[in-house]
This record gives sequence, structure tokens and C-alpha cells, in this order.
Amino acid sequence: QLQLQESGPGLVKPSETLSLTCTVSGGSISSSTYYWGWIRQPPGKGLDWIGSIYYSGSTYYNPSLKSRVTISVDTSKNQFSLKLSSVTAADTAVYYCARHVSLREFDPWGQGTLVTVSS
Amino acid sequence: SYELTQPPSVSVSPGQTASITCSGDKLGDKNACWYQQKPGQSPVLVIYQDRQRPSGIPERISGSNSGNTATLTISGTQAMDEADYFCQAWDSSTVVFGGGTKLTVL
Repeated sequence: QLQLQESGPGLVKPSETLSLTCTVSGGSISSSTYYWGWIRQPPGKGLDWIGSIYYSGSTYYNPSLKSRVTISVDTSKNQFSLKLSSVTAADTAVYYCARHVSLREFDPWGQGTLVTVSS
Repeated sequence: SYELTQPPSVSVSPGQTASITCSGDKLGDKNACWYQQKPGQSPVLVIYQDRQRPSGIPERISGSNSGNTATLTISGTQAMDEADYFCQAWDSSTVVFGGGTKLTVL
């Protein structure tokens, strides 16, 4: 059974870079058909797609975040990562990683990790 | 940019049928999916490719998509169905989520 687990600092200072890693277990990140995505959810609000990556490194980003986002993949570790630069309080959210099936639906999702932007 | 619109809230009595809509321009030409999210939990896929159910999702949860509207239908609604529901589609190389609908089982 495929599982995803987010990891990284829970507190980031304003103007710094948020960095998270998603570790995939129970399956290979190099499987064809699947992309791997990051989604966030501010407290009490809806879902906001950040971007998705293929094992080859091909990426799609949310246009509204594209200038600040970098998603990368490490197939040797079965992991993919998110970097979001110049963060502000508006970037405070639960960050989820998920398998992105054929650039359609996300399934399954990780448990999520709360990242708070505060000095 | 593409937008998906959902009603903020829907209420239903136990045992009745709940319908949650998701509207977007020519949404019927795209693949729509739906997620269920209970408080403090991660979203769970309940419908994909308009009407397909992942394994483990009960048959009383169904989906349709035509024209400008995708609909999630829950028949014989139970207290355990009370949750937030989000629709999602892929358009012009971007993922779009609806704003979410809070389903209350009264």
C-alpha cells in the first residue's frame, strides 16, 4: 500500500525559504503514469495546488506561485521536495504531498504537515 | 484563469440524498474528481474520472459530469458523511480546486 510522509520544519521566518520533503513508501516514485504533487491548505480554508513533478524532473506549477516555487525529485531516495522562497504569513498552511495520477486526481495523500510563518 | 464554483454549504437529513454541485466552463469536457475531508484529516478521493469510485468507497457515493456542472450525490446519507467536499479538475496545465462545500447531516 502506497504511503507518503511529509517532513520539514514547522516554523519558518518571514522572507526565508520553506523546505519540505515527501518520502514515498510501498511503491516506486519512478513509476510511469504518476506525477507527484504538493498541495496546501491555509487554516480553515480550501485546497491550493502548488505544483507537480514527474520522476524525470518535468514539472507543472501553479502560475500564482511559480516565481517562488521549486519542486525537485530524488529517485534514489524515493523522495520529492518543495522549496518556497520569500515566505510571508499568507504561506502559513498545512502542506500535503500526494500522488498525482495521470495529471488528473490526487490519490493517496500524505498526512500533512503544518508550516507556520512567523518571526 | 479557470474557476470551479461550489456552494459553501449543503444540509441533508439522515437517510436522504445529498447533492453537491461543482460548476465551471465546459466542465463536462474535462475529468472531474471529488475529495472528502473530515476535520483534522487529509483529503480522501471519493470519485475520479467523473463517476469512478476508488476501492473502499461505498456505492451510495456517486458522481456525474455534464455540460458545465459536475455533481456528487450521496444516497442514504449517514452521520459519517458529514465532511467538507472539494471538486477538482485539470485545465490548461494547471490543477483547479473548487472552494469546498461543507455537508451537514442534520
